[in-house]
Formats: sequence, C-alpha cells, structure tokens
Amino acid sequence: SYVLTQPPSVSVAPGKTANITCGGNNIGSKSVHWYQQKPGQAPILVIYYDSDRPSGIPERFSGSNSGNTATLTISRVDAGDEADYCCQVWDNNGDHPVFGGGTKLTVL
Amino acid sequence: EVQLVQSGAEVKKSGESLRISCKASGYSFTNYWIAWVRQMPGKGLEWMGIIYPGDSDTRYSPSFQGHVTISADKSINTAFLQWTTLNVSDTAMYYCARRTVITPGWFDPWGLGTLVTVSS
Repeated sequence: SYVLTQPPSVSVAPGKTANITCGGNNIGSKSVHWYQQKPGQAPILVIYYDSDRPSGIPERFSGSNSGNTATLTISRVDAGDEADYCCQVWDNNGDHPVFGGGTKLTVL
Repeated sequence: EVQLVQSGAEVKKSGESLRISCKASGYSFTNYWIAWVRQMPGKGLEWMGIIYPGDSDTRYSPSFQGHVTISADKSINTAFLQWTTLNVSDTAMYYCARRTVITPGWFDPWGLGTLVTVSS
C-alpha cells in the first residue's frame, strides 16, 4: 500500500516561512491535498491539487509537488497557524485515500 | 451552505453496539461520496471507508472491513457508521467528510466529529 511520510514536528518563528513536507514514492505523479487541524477542531482543507487554495484560505498558504516530495509552505507565519497539517493522496489504484501521519507546526 | 452535522458524543461499554450519524445539507446528498475517518487520541487520520448514497456503493479500508458497517439513508440525507461489538480500542474521534465530485479528489467539508469512548 502507498505510504506518505511527514516529519512529526516543525517549528518556526513568527513572521518566518514554514515548509512542511510529505514524502511518497513518485508522489509528483499524484495530486496532493493538505488539511489543517487545530486542537479540538475538525480538519479543514487548505490546499488541493498540489497548489490550489480553497476560497477563504490566505495566500500565505501555498503548495508544490515534484519527484518524491510534496511541500506545504506557509509564509509570514503567525500564532494562528499553529496546528497539525496532514497530506492526502489516493492509492495507486485510486480506490483508497491515504493520509500522511501529520506534522505539528509550532510557532515559537 | 454545505454542512455535515454529526451526532453527539457517545459513552459505551465494550461489547455494546453503536450507530453514529452524519446528516448532510446544502447539496445533493446522492451525488457525492461520504467518507468516515478515525482519529485515535493524539494520532493521525485513518480512512475507514466510503459510501456513495446514490446507490449505496460502499468501500472499506482493509483495516476496518468486517468490524464496522457504513450505510446511508437517502430519505433523510444521512450517512451512518455502525459497530455491532465495540472494543476499548474503538475509543476515538470519528469524522465524516464529503468527497469532491471530481475523482479521485479531496475531502471538503468535514463534520465536527463524534467522540466515541468505550470502557471495559
């Protein structure tokens, strides 16, 4: 089965840029979607199709995907961005969604 | 507004049965797949299964096949997740989420979750 690997945690100072990676075998050939989950809340979609933003998501959120790594980039990070971020793709047959283990973003 | 409203928190004992629900509004319920996702305490998201309410076509993750049943009632725009025999290890938050029409797609929106606590 297809496996997505994320770092457990990423820390960044306010105003700086956070890069959260999602690794998978030839993930660049797949569409990657990203979810934000704040403590005690349900996940919300922040990036779809590798780099598209749903309405209401700040332009500070962007994404890229190539080779074996997809990346969620959050620029000008503020305390409100502290959350778990999880990537998602579909398996090789397109039958089952696969979630990464999630990355906890800490704003120092 | 598209919404998924989930049933309230449940406290059960090991061996009991349970059905939780996810009521959809603001869109055509029969035209979108609904997924169920488990999140154990302090852990990540795990896909359990998915149902297409239009014809009740259902797919399960191998990890959950045989332990849960996913169903939907078109007449009340509601999807269900059911256990006949709960285990302590079923203690978790359970989310429903709508899959986009575009396949394979992403999940948006999500319900707020139903917390299930199972004691021995």
